[in-house]
This record gives sequence, structure tokens and C-alpha cells, in this order.
Amino acid sequence: SAVISQKPSRDICQRGTSLTIQCQVDSQVTMMFWYRQQPGQSLTLIATANQGSEATYESGFVIDKFPISRPNLTFSTLTVSNMSPEDSSIYLCSVSRQGAYEQFFGPGTRLTVL
Amino acid sequence: KNEVEQSPQNLTAQEGEFITINCSYSVGISALHWLQQHPGGGIVSLFMLSSGKKKHGRLIATINIQEKHSSLHITASHPRDSAVYICAVRRNNAGNMLTFGGGTRLMVKP
Repeated sequence: SAVISQKPSRDICQRGTSLTIQCQVDSQVTMMFWYRQQPGQSLTLIATANQGSEATYESGFVIDKFPISRPNLTFSTLTVSNMSPEDSSIYLCSVSRQGAYEQFFGPGTRLTVL
Repeated sequence: KNEVEQSPQNLTAQEGEFITINCSYSVGISALHWLQQHPGGGIVSLFMLSSGKKKHGRLIATINIQEKHSSLHITASHPRDSAVYICAVRRNNAGNMLTFGGGTRLMVKP
């Protein structure tokens, strides 16, 4: 298994500002993912965080809005830039190991943009 | 049509009742996950299935690959089971990425 922590657990931010969310895993993992869950909706994959290279973004998500870093095999950050109320969501980090189907989720970061 | 459909969307039960949540999918998959999300937002992985049936405590998950259908059963339900239950599939040739159902919001009343 993998134990995942996220910081912050929640935040309330002003329109136009940016927030960086951290994801820390207790062991090395191959794959790290960032998901968004808008109110009342299911999870949507934002991007796959690649260690040592640029993240792979899904359709509808761009690096300028959601820059991602992954400096090593246990840590990643997601920044939500120039926020608007439409960015109010839960942001979840998820990890898995190459060749293993099991996927583990972090506790989520609940973001409210005023 | 969504690739992963869950039913019902909302479910209210009395404590002690037997609960079934269904998941149908329309794509070829290598695995199916059942996840539990509590009001705080965190997600716990309950089961990962590629065939047959798995049991953990009061929870049972089954999958029928031919019919592209899975069910999650909760026996002797309890108010602490109240959560959103999410079905997610790992599509063939999609690596580790998951496609999610819309979730089933379960409330168990004492």
C-alpha cells in the first residue's frame, strides 16, 4: 500500500491568486496523478506527473493554468493559477506503481475560490 | 453515453438493510475499482477486481466480465457506511489511468 498526505487539506482563496498543493507519498511510486472533483461531480484526471519531465495533461487542462512539478518519486505539487470561482473543487493526488493495478488516493484538498 | 454508469445515483437505507450498488461499463477493461469517498473528500480504495468476487468484512464485490457489470453489496448496513461509492475502470491499453462512474450517494439511517 501507499500512504499519501496532501497539504493544505482545505483553503479559501481570493479570485486571481494562485495556490500550490503538495502531495507526499511514504514510499517511491512510479505513477502520480492529479484529479479534480467539482461539486457534485465525479473525478476528472487533470494530468499525470512525470518525474524529471513535464507533466502529461488531459484534454481541457493546460500547463499555464495547472503547472505541476515532480522532483522525485515521492513528491509532487499542483498549482492552481489565477483562480476563479469555477476552480472551487476537491483536488486529489493519486499514485500507483508501474505494472500494478492498485491505485491509492490522497485525502484531497478542498479549495474554495471567492 | 458515459463509459461507466452507476445506479442508483442516490440511495437511502435503514440500518441493517442489505444494499446493492451497480456499475455497468461499455469498454474493455483490465480491472475495476470500487472506491469510497467520505464527506471530507478523501477516497479509500475498497476493492480492485478483474474477475469473480471479493469479500472484505461486510462488503462484497462481484464482476461479470462478459456482461460488463459489477456490483457492490453491503450487508447489515450501518450509518458509518454513509458515503459516496465510486466505480472506476482501468481501460485496456490505457496504462494506469482510471475512468470514473458518477458515484452513488448512500445514506444509512439509524
